[in-house]
Parts: sequence; structure tokens; C-alpha cells
Amino acid sequence: AQTVTQSQPEMSVQEAETVTLSCTYDTSENNYYLFWYKQPPSRQMILVIRQEAYKQQNATENRFSVNFQKAAKSFSLKISDSQLGDTAMYFCAFMMRYGGSQGNLIFGKGTKLSVKP
Amino acid sequence: SAVISQKPSRDICQRGTSLTIQCQVDSQVTMMFWYRQQPGQSLTLIATANQGSEATYESGFVIDKFPISRPNLTFSTLTVSNMSPEDSSIYLCSVVMIGTGDIYGYTFGSGTRLTVV
Repeated sequence: AQTVTQSQPEMSVQEAETVTLSCTYDTSENNYYLFWYKQPPSRQMILVIRQEAYKQQNATENRFSVNFQKAAKSFSLKISDSQLGDTAMYFCAFMMRYGGSQGNLIFGKGTKLSVKP
Repeated sequence: SAVISQKPSRDICQRGTSLTIQCQVDSQVTMMFWYRQQPGQSLTLIATANQGSEATYESGFVIDKFPISRPNLTFSTLTVSNMSPEDSSIYLCSVVMIGTGDIYGYTFGSGTRLTVV
């Protein structure tokens, strides 16, 4: 079975600084997706960034980037120029890819990020 | 990406009663997923709802407790039956986002915060 581990229950960062959230996962499969989701106090789950396991290039989305280390099964999220609106719970998630069909998401326990002014 | 309308957004219910949560998607989707997020915890998949067939439940979740309907490709309901305080959670529905023939990620409804007293 696949597992996702987020070892940092809480983190804080000063506004405009950079922060990195850690995520490791365990799987014997080779074809999968990894995601970072953000859940602000509104509880809406928002997709921040995705990574396809077969792509070596790290995904980036504006201020958000990942460091994907497939051999180490590590998938960290870097937030640059942190903003107050980045304050939220961040969940790392794993999904199998069954030949293009739809699997289900396996979530880590989350990291609560606080951006301080 | 798909937009999901989920309601109610919150409810306070008496133990022993049932609550039905609705999710309406603005496009046709093959599968819809129902998640539970217990207080301070991550998301756990309850079941996968397919149109025209019985829902598939994850370990620890049973149809008698969480009956699901999927009458068409844009709508699903989850009922939390015979509620107890342990059912107090956020319940979210989700669908897969497809982009350029590949899975892009998951879109979530805004969640239903259920409190059982």
C-alpha cells in the first residue's frame, strides 16, 4: 500500500521569505502523480502543483516549485516570496496512474503553514 | 476545470438522525469521490461513486452508514446515517480534472462541516 508522510506538523515563515515543506512517500509503482494541495481556513481544497512521476523536470507554478527526487521518494514544496494569503494547511498527495484511468488520492497528514507579517 | 457546488456548507444535527450532502458538477464526470476529514486530520476516501452502478467503499466504511446515490453524470449524494458525535467531520466530494488527455488533478467541493450533538 502507498503511504505519504509529512514530517512537519507546523511551520512558520516571515512574509516575503522562502519556505520548504517536506513530503516523502512509499510505493513500489513506477507510474503515478504527486500533488500539493492547499486548504485555507475556508476549508476549500485548492490544487497548488502537480508532478508526473515519469517527468524528471520539477514542476513550477509561479511562486511554487517542487523538488522531486524519485529515487529518494521525496517531493518537497518550495514557496518563494511568501504572502499572508499562503497561510493554510498544505497536504501532499499521491495518486496511482492506471494506464490513464482514474485512481484515488492518498494524502499526508498535512503541514500547517503560518506566514507572519 | 470542473466546478462543484456542494451543500449544505454546514449543519448541526442531533445524534441518531441522518444528513444528506449533495454535490452538483457543472460537467459530466465518470466518477465522483467522497472524502471525510476528521477534526485536525487529513482526508480519507470514503467511497467512489460511479453512475449506474453501486458505489465502491473503502475499508472501514459501509453502505448502511454512508449510502451514496449517483443518478446521473453530474450529481451525487452522500448520506451520513444514524449519526453519532464521532461522525462530526468535514465531508468533501471530488472529481478528477482531465486536461489534454491526461489527469491534471482533483477538484473538490467546498465541503460540508457536520457537527453532531
